[in-house]
Amino acid sequence: AQRVTQPEKLLSVFKGAPVELKCNYSYSGSPELFWYVQYSRQRLQLLLRHISRESIKGFTADLNKGETSFHLKKPFAQEEDSAMYYCAIAGNTDKLIFGTGTRLQVFP
Amino acid sequence: KAGVTQTPRYLIKTRGQQVTLSCSPISGHRSVSWYQQTPGQGLQFLFEYFSETQRNKGNFPGRFSGRQFSNSRSEMNVSTLELGDSALYLCASSLDRGVVEQYFGPGTRLTVT
Repeated sequence: AQRVTQPEKLLSVFKGAPVELKCNYSYSGSPELFWYVQYSRQRLQLLLRHISRESIKGFTADLNKGETSFHLKKPFAQEEDSAMYYCAIAGNTDKLIFGTGTRLQVFP
Repeated sequence: KAGVTQTPRYLIKTRGQQVTLSCSPISGHRSVSWYQQTPGQGLQFLFEYFSETQRNKGNFPGRFSGRQFSNSRSEMNVSTLELGDSALYLCASSLDRGVVEQYFGPGTRLTVT
């Protein structure tokens, strides 16, 4: 079964601290992986996708096929990074399967 | 380009009623997907439409249905509403099938009393 697990509901850090939001997935095949972000009172938006290997707003995510993980990282958190983060996978059916999300709180 | 729009933004219905939600995708986008977002279950895929045909369906009862028009606009319908249908319903559009970079609308907040 396709599944995305985000083990942390809430992650709190201070500004300038490193951040790692965990994401593990189960899928028999090679899915596409994404991170979506939802800032307060804004709509859900794509942050990054593994296939593009880009760094967006200082965030990066490395796909580890052996551990079936796609953790999101940022070396120095900013207050404006506070948001809800969702990991998602898409297989050959083109539908997105989301994790339950992790709320990131960055304190000043 | 205008983003994905959804109407209405808020809706209150009573149990047993039915409801229709509307989604207008980004101009030129041909695929529309619907999701249900609740605090307990998170974001769950409902269905996807492309070229006026349902291409994918999630694990929801038959009370949930939808359609897509020739201009790619989509509607979803929920019949015989239950309290558990209270949720934020999100619509997302993408340029084509297989292009899973989806752009989300603001959602319709449905409250069933």
